[in-house]
Amino acid sequence: AQSVTQPDIHITVSEGASLELRCNYSYGATPYLFWYVQSPGQGLQLLLKYFSGDTLVQGIKGFEAEFKRSQSSFNLRKPSVHWSDAAEYFCAVGARRDDKIIFGKGTRLHILP
Amino acid sequence: DAGITQSPRYKITETGRQVTLMCHQTWSHSYMFWYRQDLGHGLRLIYYSAAADITDKGEVPDGYVVSRSKTENFPLTLESATRSQTSVYFCASSVPSGGAAEQFFGPGTRLTVL
Repeated sequence: AQSVTQPDIHITVSEGASLELRCNYSYGATPYLFWYVQSPGQGLQLLLKYFSGDTLVQGIKGFEAEFKRSQSSFNLRKPSVHWSDAAEYFCAVGARRDDKIIFGKGTRLHILP
Repeated sequence: DAGITQSPRYKITETGRQVTLMCHQTWSHSYMFWYRQDLGHGLRLIYYSAAADITDKGEVPDGYVVSRSKTENFPLTLESATRSQTSVYFCASSVPSGGAAEQFFGPGTRLTVL
């Protein structure tokens, strides 16, 4: 069965600092991987996705993620965060021949001015 | 371009009452999903639908009923609401792609059961 673990419930970084949010997945074959962002009171918006090919994926809002099969990880990164990046971030995993995706429990990002 | 809408956005009800949450999408996406979001649990799938008149259970279906008579609508009914169903409910849709695909989310419905 697929599963997703986001080890950090809360992360606090200073504005302008770099960011890395961790995501580990469990899946037997090559997974489909997603990162979503949820601003307060909003629905979820896709930041980026990985299906195949280049393991470094670029997304919207300056985010990127790297798929590392050997570590079963898909960590999200941003070189310099802005106050508007404060939100909750969800990693999700899916599979070929299955239209459902499984979400992690989320990491809430706090930005210090 | 309305996208995916949910109504009501906020609902307060009492234990034992029937409540229906509405979800409407304008993209004609085949797949639609209902999730609940609770602190410490992230998003959990309640029900999903691959097309009109095709629905299936997700991870936490007990106490919920869905129907999908039209592609664009996917209502979620709590037949007899319980306090444990207090949550934020999200509807989502996606295009079939032979595997997991990007899901587009509605703004959510915050439901409180007293």
